[in-house]
Amino acid sequence: EVQLVESGGGLVQPGGSLRLSCAASGFTFSDYSMNWVRQAPGKGLEWVSYISSSSSTIYYADSVKGRFTISRENAKNSLYLQMTSLRDEDTAVYYCAREGGVTGVDYWGQGTLVTVSS
Amino acid sequence: DIQMTQSPSSVSASVGDRVTITCRASQGISSWLAWYQQKPGKAPKLLIYTASSLQSGVPSRFSGSGSGTDFTLTISSLQPEDFATYFCLQANSFPLTFGGGTKVEIK
Repeated sequence: EVQLVESGGGLVQPGGSLRLSCAASGFTFSDYSMNWVRQAPGKGLEWVSYISSSSSTIYYADSVKGRFTISRENAKNSLYLQMTSLRDEDTAVYYCAREGGVTGVDYWGQGTLVTVSS
Repeated sequence: DIQMTQSPSSVSASVGDRVTITCRASQGISSWLAWYQQKPGKAPKLLIYTASSLQSGVPSRFSGSGSGTDFTLTISSLQPEDFATYFCLQANSFPLTFGGGTKVEIK
């Protein structure tokens, strides 16, 4: 069974930093690209970042470019999102999600809440 | 960036009703469209990928159609567990973009 478990969320002040982690199991993590997607309270979904299986290709949404860094450690079956210069508008539940190829973004974790507030 | 316009934003329906949700892309995306169901406090669940392919384990009352710019998700006979919010996602190019969502509510 595919499982994705996010951690690392919490309350942070504007301008602060936070590192999110996603632990993957139930599939060969190193074979799959991964995404981070976020959802502000009561709002829709916003794609944040993508990383290919070998980390050779990375994309970011314009809203986070230059502030967030996606990375992965295939040996640890783990995905990360380093977030810096956090803003109020970054407040959201952050989901890691598997890129299944033809099936697209197929499996999602349960999310971790990031709250940016003074 | 490709904009995804989803309609309606909400729909009230009864058990057994047929419900149709549409997504329109601002430019052609071939069949690179997926549909998701999300319940409060839960992660999105993939229903349909490549516009019309049913994800494993998803009931056959869900179906998708369309290509290019216009896409439809149909629930043929609404069941109590189907009351939720539905989103489309274009996967043709980065940045990936979602529709605004459709909340299916009990009439």
